[in-house]
Amino acid sequence: NAGVTQTPKFRILKIGQSMTLQCTQDMNHNYMYWYRQDPGMGLKLIYYSVGAGITDKGEVPNGYNVSRSTTEDFPLRLELAAPSQTSVYFCASKRGQTYSGNTIYFGEGSWLTVV
Amino acid sequence: ELKVEQNPLFLSMQEGKNYTIYCNYSTTSDRLYWYRQDPGKSLESLFVLLSNGAVKQEGRLMASLDTKARLSTLHITAAVHDLSATYFCAVDALKTSYDKVIFGPGTSLSVIP
Repeated sequence: NAGVTQTPKFRILKIGQSMTLQCTQDMNHNYMYWYRQDPGMGLKLIYYSVGAGITDKGEVPNGYNVSRSTTEDFPLRLELAAPSQTSVYFCASKRGQTYSGNTIYFGEGSWLTVV
Repeated sequence: ELKVEQNPLFLSMQEGKNYTIYCNYSTTSDRLYWYRQDPGKSLESLFVLLSNGAVKQEGRLMASLDTKARLSTLHITAAVHDLSATYFCAVDALKTSYDKVIFGPGTSLSVIP
């Protein structure tokens, strides 16, 4: 049971480069999230999706883009990387609304350094 | 805009002692999560609280939710070293039928022998 899988686990980017963080889940979850966690800090919501074709901004969306063409995949695109985007990125998913009592499952994280 | 606060942010306690971590949030919600994170690791789900007055317990941890006070507590009983970690609460910011989940800043707990 793979759960939520993120790739790559580690990446070093140069300022101005672009890249995509991949996230896939095999639990048929409708809801998917991208968070970033700066050192010693909490998680900040970047973007989220409630189903294929539907995405919305979170707390810190600037500098990022997402798409959700399938239920399984929710890639995060970084355009023109900046040092301020150095962080750990977590992808997460849950089956439906919290009314159903479902918890949120997290991936292992992607460590990104922009130099 | 939903804001989530936690108190304290740092907590050092002796083994065997009891303590409570508080989670306050700014808008109406009755859906709250507690997570644990070990250094360099991902987040581990502890509790999901779904209604006013909800109480859940697992081992030495007990969580409760008071939606009228917009407050959740995570109570630690007879702490042991293995509980050393960072604890996060997270709140659903309901927007029509969508669930935007916002996290608190975390409480870094250190249990000292």
